[in-house]
Amino acid sequence: DAKTTQPTSMDCAEGRAANLPCNHSTISGNEYVYWYRQIHSQGPQYIIHGLKNNETNEMASLIITEDRKSSTLILPHATLRDTAVYYCIDDSGAGSYQLTFGKGTKLSVIP
Amino acid sequence: ETGVTQSPTHLIKTRGQQVTLRCSSQSGHNTVSWYQQALGQGPQFIFQYYREEENGRGNFPPRFSGLQFPNYSSELNVNALELDDSALYLCASSFLDGEAFFGQGTRLTVV
Repeated sequence: DAKTTQPTSMDCAEGRAANLPCNHSTISGNEYVYWYRQIHSQGPQYIIHGLKNNETNEMASLIITEDRKSSTLILPHATLRDTAVYYCIDDSGAGSYQLTFGKGTKLSVIP
Repeated sequence: ETGVTQSPTHLIKTRGQQVTLRCSSQSGHNTVSWYQQALGQGPQFIFQYYREEENGRGNFPPRFSGLQFPNYSSELNVNALELDDSALYLCASSFLDGEAFFGQGTRLTVV
């Protein structure tokens, strides 16, 4: 079973920031926070991951709370192509990548 | 494009039959993982292969089996197909300690 909890769905206006929350109530010290997304009829796509510090790449930013019990994925300027199911996952990442997906958050970007 | 190729893209099988799905991993990646995604659910981990050996298995019965070849490509075999095996089957390749890159999947329908 998935170890994270996410809202079932969210809407975001095109051009605005999309903030997707995730609760990691059972995350352990050696587990990273990973975010993947799945656009309809495609395989999941890696977005970003982090351990303790906030991270940013060309796709998104990841904010992790100090106690690591929650994280937020930020898409700074959402486009229609960002409409997808977004998954947050706790994983040790070291010699693993046997990922446990939940149901994710369906993000709909509205024109 | 992730460089991970799966074949076939779609197929239909009859209950009780056997099926083989194939995956060509991204160049250089030595680890392949297989996932099953039922409609409306997140992907569920089936098993992982590293350098031709099984390196972890999820909660799937023995009729789900796999192989990894010296060129790191992989096969997923399912025997005695059941209606509930109808799903999208995803292959992901990676280095053992790197991010997973997913293929587009094979849509299996069991009738």
